[in-house]
Amino acid sequence: DAGVIQSPRHEVTEMGQEVTLRCKPISGHNSLFWYRQTMMRGLELLIYFNNNVPIDDSGMPEDRFSAKMPNASFSTLKIQPSEPRDSAVYFCASSPWDAGASGYTFGSGTRLTVV
Amino acid sequence: AQSVSQHNHHVILSEAASLELGCNYSYGGTVNLFWYVQYPGQHLQLLLKYFSGDPLVKGIKGFEAEFIKSKFSFNLRKPSVQWSDTAEYFCAVRLNAGNNRKLIWGLGTSLAVNP
Repeated sequence: DAGVIQSPRHEVTEMGQEVTLRCKPISGHNSLFWYRQTMMRGLELLIYFNNNVPIDDSGMPEDRFSAKMPNASFSTLKIQPSEPRDSAVYFCASSPWDAGASGYTFGSGTRLTVV
Repeated sequence: AQSVSQHNHHVILSEAASLELGCNYSYGGTVNLFWYVQYPGQHLQLLLKYFSGDPLVKGIKGFEAEFIKSKFSFNLRKPSVQWSDTAEYFCAVRLNAGNNRKLIWGLGTSLAVNP
């Protein structure tokens, strides 16, 4: 298995532009998580899905952020409009239903820079 | 609110020294416990996890952790560190309540091992 695949690896965009981050979870994993990591706030859970359904989006900072999971093999995190304070590394992770065998597997992350 | 505390924010050791990183959580119910490692510029990788059974858990790369329920602790240990262990270490807890899939994360401990 190729693991959790995220794209792009790096994104530099201008303030006000729309940014879309993509994630392909491990096949067969039921749960998908979007995290943001910064030096100041550490690792923050933004939203997670079970069986493609958003379960908890309480970590989404504001309405500029939205996430979708149209099917079991693909999810997007969109920021519109982007702001400099959104600069961070965004990780996607997936896990089986009980996370017993492998825990939570993280992707390599997308480093977002908003200038 | 439930939380995870990692007492040491920065640790500096020489090679061959022993390591112990503290992790405490605040929750009285059943938990699943994890330690993840993040090498410089990379994504988080699972070091070890505890779900049930023997409270002394052995993970990859010679790491182990002991779950002490009475102390709400899950400290990470390694008898002899190597330069390649230089990384950020994160403790995480999943509250085993219902269908909860969220992890609560500590802020991380930065470990630097001098050759």
